[in-house]
Amino acid sequence: EIVLTQSPGTLSLSPGERATLSCRASQSVSSSYLAWYQQKPGQAPRLLIYGASSRATGIPDRFSGSGSGTDFTLTISRLEPEDFAVYYCQQYGSSPLFGPGTKVDIK
Amino acid sequence: EVQLVESGGGLVKPGGSLRLSCAASGFTFSSYSMNWVRQAPGKGLEWVSSISSSSSYIYYADSVKGRFTISRDNAKNSLYLQMNSLRAEDTAVYYCARDPLGTSSSWYYDYWGQGTLVTVSS
Repeated sequence: EIVLTQSPGTLSLSPGERATLSCRASQSVSSSYLAWYQQKPGQAPRLLIYGASSRATGIPDRFSGSGSGTDFTLTISRLEPEDFAVYYCQQYGSSPLFGPGTKVDIK
Repeated sequence: EVQLVESGGGLVKPGGSLRLSCAASGFTFSSYSMNWVRQAPGKGLEWVSSISSSSSYIYYADSVKGRFTISRDNAKNSLYLQMNSLRAEDTAVYYCARDPLGTSSSWYYDYWGQGTLVTVSS
């Protein structure tokens, strides 16, 4: 069974800074079946990235995904005030599984 | 506009039952696989169950297998989750979520409802 680890647990940054979030799988994720979601307090998750690097409909291009195999990255090129949230990765190459999340908060 | 609206959550005693519903609109419901995903208070996300567009394929997480039953009514544009033998660890917000692929399953989720809270406590 695949285990997903996200790091760091919390990322404290200022608006305008670059955010780099990591998602590591204990086994290779087949066909880069890796998605990223954003969740704000009291809201449902929102799909950002699927297939490791494809942006979902309506997602700004400051969000980008990369990686393959066991190491994946979500990059937010310049943080906007609305980007402070929790981010989850999800692998869907086998039974769907979410990572524990990375909280991006305001420094 | 795609909308998913869950209902049916509430407080139930351990061992009790509850039926969740999800009303879908803004898309051709009968063409999409649908899912339930839950989130315990202050915790991460956990996939619960999936059902294909015609109900031919149904899957459950091990944690709910044998206790929960997913179903759908395409004529009513509705998704359901029958939850029996509830445990304290089933306490969570339950989200209805759409799989973006039409005729098959991709296993990621492009639209989510706002969720309904299920609390299992004596």
